[in-house]
Amino acid sequence: EPEVTQTPSHQVTQMGQEVILRCVPISNHLYFYWYRQILGQKVEFLVSFYNNEISEKSEIFDDQFSVERPDGSNFTLKIRSTKLEDSAMYFCASSATANTGELFFGEGSRLTVL
Amino acid sequence: AQSVTQPDIHITVSEGASLELRCNYSYGATPYLFWYVQSPGQGLQLLLKYFSGDTLVQGIKGFEAEFKRSQSSFNLRKPSVHWSDAAEYFCAVGTIQAGTALIFGKGTTLSVSS
Repeated sequence: EPEVTQTPSHQVTQMGQEVILRCVPISNHLYFYWYRQILGQKVEFLVSFYNNEISEKSEIFDDQFSVERPDGSNFTLKIRSTKLEDSAMYFCASSATANTGELFFGEGSRLTVL
Repeated sequence: AQSVTQPDIHITVSEGASLELRCNYSYGATPYLFWYVQSPGQGLQLLLKYFSGDTLVQGIKGFEAEFKRSQSSFNLRKPSVHWSDAAEYFCAVGTIQAGTALIFGKGTTLSVSS
């Protein structure tokens, strides 16, 4: 069964460092998403991406965040200068073009900022 | 404001007993409702969804959910719980349109006792 894969599964970084989280969406999907979950809190929407541009973003997704689809398979989330409060589980998801509303999620990348 | 409330943070159920997880939502437009499950070390997996029509929807793994517009609720049920159902369950609301954000609840952790 096709699945969304994310790397790394866990990353520890120092405050102020840049981090790139990588995702390989399901191959025939065209919509891509990043969500995050701070420990003990809700899963929160960050951004959606379609046709090489951002479709929608939340107020969490400020200038320190960026997304990119550098090639035909990867979808990345970059955090330019990490803060302690960026520590969270980051989930990548993808969906097909049909409006089914169904997202397929990866297993998540846990980011710990020290 | 758009929101999803899952009143129960943690529920313990005996194996073989019935289960009901509560979900209430507040959403300005026609709500499309989802239940996702996250097993340890896994990504979020869609259990079931409600878009329109019959208010009782069936999902995978023997789960069902009932949409009650008058109560703004979408409770998840299972008649007989198995030990493998121990996981975290998330209710979410959104639109059917690809590329738009899902709003998640905080989740309910289900433990199953033998």
